[in-house]
Amino acid sequence: GQQVMQIPQYQHVQEGEDFTTYCNSSTTLSNIQWYKQRPGGHPVFLIQLVKSGEVKKQKRLTFQFGEAKKNSSLHITATQTTDVGTYFCASSGGYQKVTFGTGTKLQVIP
Amino acid sequence: NAGVMQNPRHLVRRRGQEARLRCSPMKGHSHVYWYRQLPEEGLKFMVYLQKENIIDESGMPKERFSAEFPKEGPSILRIQQVVRGDSAAYFCASSSGQGNTNEKLFFGSGTQLSVL
Repeated sequence: GQQVMQIPQYQHVQEGEDFTTYCNSSTTLSNIQWYKQRPGGHPVFLIQLVKSGEVKKQKRLTFQFGEAKKNSSLHITATQTTDVGTYFCASSGGYQKVTFGTGTKLQVIP
Repeated sequence: NAGVMQNPRHLVRRRGQEARLRCSPMKGHSHVYWYRQLPEEGLKFMVYLQKENIIDESGMPKERFSAEFPKEGPSILRIQQVVRGDSAAYFCASSSGQGNTNEKLFFGSGTQLSVL
């Protein structure tokens, strides 16, 4: 099945600094989804990318899908303490089974 | 507009007992997923169900674990003869299952299973 790796596993940033997490697959992905899980909470859908080279923005968050559809990134500009949590990429393969990446845990130091 | 409902939120069992975790999908959703999460780890896929049908159970252990999603009522994840290693957060998610491979998942708040 599809395996999606994320780096880094952990990231500590000073409030106001930027943050990027990367998602990589050895196989071509049909789509990429991003989710955020706050500490003690459940994953919440952020966005989905489908097209090769697609870039989408949500306020301070920028999501990118690679040209070969094998990698993706999430970039947060000027982090805030509300950005704390674990960010997961995910992809669905055949029969819509959604497989999650290993996640990147973000800590923001005020 | 209720979201995905899971109960109980916390479940304590002794080794050897059975655990039943329930999940009611969002209204109008016919597909349910179960994921397991250990502390500081990712979401491990267990099983993907449609009403009265198991689509993919490749992530579920062959023994002691079973899942169902009946025509009426919630989806149930059942763990028989629990062991300490079963302690984890179990999340359920639902999707509309309209045949689009690009569907997003809506998650419940999870059930934290603790095995003593």
